[in-house]
Amino acid sequence: EAGVTQFPSHSVIEKGQTVTLRCDPISGHDNLYWYRRVMGKEIKFLLHFVKESKQDESGMPNNRFLAERTGGTYSTLKVQPAELEDSGVYFCASSQDLVGKQFFGPGTRLTVL
Amino acid sequence: DQQVKQNSPSLSVQEGRISILNCDYTNSMFDYFLWYKKYPAEGPTFLISISSIKDKNEDGRFTVFLNKSAKHLSLHIVPSQPGDSAVYFCAAHDNTGGFKTIFGAGTRLFVKA
Repeated sequence: EAGVTQFPSHSVIEKGQTVTLRCDPISGHDNLYWYRRVMGKEIKFLLHFVKESKQDESGMPNNRFLAERTGGTYSTLKVQPAELEDSGVYFCASSQDLVGKQFFGPGTRLTVL
Repeated sequence: DQQVKQNSPSLSVQEGRISILNCDYTNSMFDYFLWYKKYPAEGPTFLISISSIKDKNEDGRFTVFLNKSAKHLSLHIVPSQPGDSAVYFCAAHDNTGGFKTIFGAGTRLFVKA
């Protein structure tokens, strides 16, 4: 069974540009989560999808971030326009059940210059 | 304001000895706790979990202890192996106003051969 995949693995962009991160969850997992980790700090929750619906987006930093999950399969996270403080590693995770373990992708390292 | 705190950034242990990683939380409404392990350039992987109705859960070399009155949990690894060297994250499920998982900043464990 394929795990959670994320694309790209690295992205380097300039301040003001747009970047779109993609996550493909494990097939059949209705729950999909986005997280961000800034170097050395906690893994911070961004939002939670159940199928195509946003259940909790309280962690989204501001309206420069837009997450979508069309058709309840893969998800995208767009940052527009990117700022320096958006740099970090963005993780996607998926799960079958709400309570319990989540399966994480390898992350996308975003660097905003 | 961090709700899940791992106050030790790193821990060094001799192979074969016990590793004890600690975690404190502030929200008494948290009812499910997890530990994840993370190797460099990979996403976190689930290790072990515990519900708030229990005070101990064991899986092989890994045991998690929960002290609700102290809002404290710990992960014991016995015996420690060099392959256990990784960053360990403590996490808690937060069901208030949605569903999210709150992570600590992680503790880097070094197991010396």
